Amino acid sequence: NAGVTQTPKFQVLKTGQSMTLQCAQDMNHEYMSWYRQDPGMGLRLIHYSVGAGITDQGEVPNGYNVSRSTTEDFPLRLLSAAPSQTSVYFCASSYRGGIEPLHFGNGTRLTVT
Amino acid sequence: GDSVTQMEGPVTLSEEAFLTINCTYTATGYPSLFWYVQYPGEGLQLLLKATKADDKGSNKGFEATYRKETTSFHLEKGSVQVSDSAVYFCALTSNTGNQFYFGTGTSLTVIP
Repeated sequence: NAGVTQTPKFQVLKTGQSMTLQCAQDMNHEYMSWYRQDPGMGLRLIHYSVGAGITDQGEVPNGYNVSRSTTEDFPLRLLSAAPSQTSVYFCASSYRGGIEPLHFGNGTRLTVT
Repeated sequence: GDSVTQMEGPVTLSEEAFLTINCTYTATGYPSLFWYVQYPGEGLQLLLKATKADDKGSNKGFEATYRKETTSFHLEKGSVQVSDSAVYFCALTSNTGNQFYFGTGTSLTVIP
């Protein structure tokens, strides 16, 4: 009964490096999303997907790429990390999106120096 | 656009005190409203929800009523415990879209 699994839990990058944050869910959820959490800003939506092969931008998509090749996985890619991307990243999923409540992973804390 | 405004914290209460965390929203259409709770080092967990006006969501002694006339969804608990110490987020989603909007979060500390 894993739910939403995020890896890694912590990551330190240098400016300009690239990396992929992994997110997997085992609940057969169609909807998956990525948020970043910053002090005083709450959670802001980066990208989301309503099913395999379908992705869309959220509120703060710049500097991030996503793809959804399977129902289970929704990786978030930072192509060239910047200090402004220092944040805690959460993956969340729901059965069909819309008004369905979100299920969250435990987060990835990313520091870009 | 859609948005949520939540009372700023931090909030510190003694055990068994009454809790209110204010939340107001702006939305087009007919949003569904949620309260999520985040314990240290963890992701957010759904606490309660309400999907239409005048609905009352409740869970673990917490309650919130969807008030369309005042565009509010205030969280209340009659007697808080130390274990309620966490960050609480108000959120909304519209049934016409696929985006959740979160408030900035309110940190609650309950002291014995």
